[in-house]
Amino acid sequence: DSGVTQTPKHLITATGQRVTLRCSPRSGDLSVYWYQQSLDQGLQFLIQYYNGEERAKGNILERFSAQQFPDLHSELNLSSLELGDSALYFCASSAGPREQFFGPGTRLTVL
Amino acid sequence: GENVEQHPSTLSVQEGDSAVIKCTYSDSASNYFPWYKQELGKRPQLIIDIRSNVGEKKDQRIAVTLNKTAKHFSLHITETQPEDSAVYFCAASSIGQDKIIFGKGTRLHILP
Repeated sequence: DSGVTQTPKHLITATGQRVTLRCSPRSGDLSVYWYQQSLDQGLQFLIQYYNGEERAKGNILERFSAQQFPDLHSELNLSSLELGDSALYFCASSAGPREQFFGPGTRLTVL
Repeated sequence: GENVEQHPSTLSVQEGDSAVIKCTYSDSASNYFPWYKQELGKRPQLIIDIRSNVGEKKDQRIAVTLNKTAKHFSLHITETQPEDSAVYFCAASSIGQDKIIFGKGTRLHILP
């Protein structure tokens, strides 16, 4: 157990819908990262927050947004969902530019 | 932009043999190079990392080498065992940045 929690574990929804994925970082970690992992694909970095502020942006679509709250938990919002958005979404946290601890992931299926 | 290339994408080795996975990076400011292992259906987990002031680091059967001049680094697994079967990701992080750029991964199969 990495200490990073993600909910829900599985999510099944329809095209055009909107979903919210939630992540709680390890105690004391200020940085939260979001990644997308499609089938047989690598880890695509989406976005990073540090202590409530956006720190870095990767290949995140305009339909996707995220935020980090004062209690440091983070949410990833995915809207106007398409079939191609089906993937495993990981959240990770770190205390700085070193090891990232990954959560168990949320598997999103868009039908 | 920043990029990390990883080869091969798939690797099969006989149990007991060695496995080598290679990565190159584009950002010369990169100074932290972690390797993650992801078993089927599980989260990625750090197995070893190296910083730019070190050329090699070992941890039991796992070693990582770094060539800053050539901008490449490699993972070496010796005496491979069935539990080494997984997807391995290399990554690079730049000075002053928390963002880590991952390679596309290598699926390692250990053959009996």
